[in-house]
Amino acid sequence: GIQVEQSPPDLILQEGANSTLRCNFSDSVNNLQWFHQNPWGQLINLFYIPSGTKQNGRLSATTVATERYSLLYISSSQTTDSGVYFCAVGLSGYKLSFGAGTTVTVRA
Amino acid sequence: EAGVAQSPRYKIIEKRQSVAFWCNPISGHATLYWYQQILGQGPKLLIQFQNNGVVDDSQLPKDRFSAERLKGVDSTLKIQPAKLEDSAVYLCASSLKGGYQPQHFGDGTRLSIL
Repeated sequence: GIQVEQSPPDLILQEGANSTLRCNFSDSVNNLQWFHQNPWGQLINLFYIPSGTKQNGRLSATTVATERYSLLYISSSQTTDSGVYFCAVGLSGYKLSFGAGTTVTVRA
Repeated sequence: EAGVAQSPRYKIIEKRQSVAFWCNPISGHATLYWYQQILGQGPKLLIQFQNNGVVDDSQLPKDRFSAERLKGVDSTLKIQPAKLEDSAVYLCASSLKGGYQPQHFGDGTRLSIL
């Protein structure tokens, strides 16, 4: 199956800082999604982004499918951004394979 | 718009007992997914339904796990008999028809096996 590698595994930020999370995948994909799992365990879909760039408020994402990576940018981080960020990819449009996640801690 | 509903939120059982989880997807979502998330890992897909048909169940341990989606709406996931390694959060997600759609997750059921 497709291998998904996320980096860094852990990230500690001061409130107001910017950061970049990376997702590398081992094969061509046509389905890529970013999720945020908050400290209460809720998984929220941030972006459906198999290619190109999207922005939603302080978050933006870029996927370069030909080079097999995606980036998630967090700007002006807030304590509510804390949690685990997952990248999930799929080839056929069906089964999504999740990475191990990046744990983000934002300190006030 | 109501989100994906799951119940129960928590369940504690002894090994070798059986347990069932229920999921109601977002209205109008034809595709439903069950995931298993072990502590410290990303979710792993167990089974995917398109309406009431199974699209992918390649990672479902069929000797003990079963799932159904009668009438193409609600779904139940059952484990019988449970093993210690089944301790995890069981997440249900749904999306509009087809795989190329954002998936939306419920709050999950946290299962502890004693």
